Amino acid sequence: KAGVTQTPRYLIKTRGQQVTLSCSPISGHRSVSWYQQTPGQGLQFLFEYFSETQRNKGNFPGRFSGRQFSNSRSEMNVSTLELGDSALYLCASSLAIYPETQYFGPGTRLLVL
Amino acid sequence: KNEVEQSPQNLTAQEGEFITINCSYSVGISALHWLQQHPGGGIVSLFMLSSGKKKHGRLIATINIQEKHSSLHITASHPRDSAVYICAVITGNQFYFGTGTSLTVIP
Repeated sequence: KAGVTQTPRYLIKTRGQQVTLSCSPISGHRSVSWYQQTPGQGLQFLFEYFSETQRNKGNFPGRFSGRQFSNSRSEMNVSTLELGDSALYLCASSLAIYPETQYFGPGTRLLVL
Repeated sequence: KNEVEQSPQNLTAQEGEFITINCSYSVGISALHWLQQHPGGGIVSLFMLSSGKKKHGRLIATINIQEKHSSLHITASHPRDSAVYICAVITGNQFYFGTGTSLTVIP
């Protein structure tokens, strides 16, 4: 069974731009969660989607949004990028919502200049 | 105030040593995860616990709900165990993460 895939793996953007990251979960998994990891803040929870609905949301501004499609694939969007948005963005999938074992993707490394 | 505290922050061990990483949390939880992150960023979920003890190979994870404490033990440590180990707790609809323990196992 293929693992969680994330695209793109690396991305460079400039301040003010927007970015869309994609996550394909393991086949059969219906829950997708997104996390941000920075050296200063560590890992932080962004949001979780299950059956195309956002079920949980972390403490991030409205510039961070996401969605999930009927095939469970998920996208995350960050608008009006700031330098502080430079981070590793990780996606994880699980069969159902918490608490369930999560399987992480390799991440998308975003650099905002 | 951090909801999840890990100790130690950094740990260096000789190959073969028994290693313990601790995680204390201050919130009521529904489950606790131990994650392993290798250089390059890839994260692997090692354990998900809500009570008791779990074992997988040389790894053992325990949790004491009353004391709000969990430990991750590595027996017969090996250089390939070198990684950052992260404790994460699930409470209500939120995930809280520890800052991680960086483990280096020297041959």
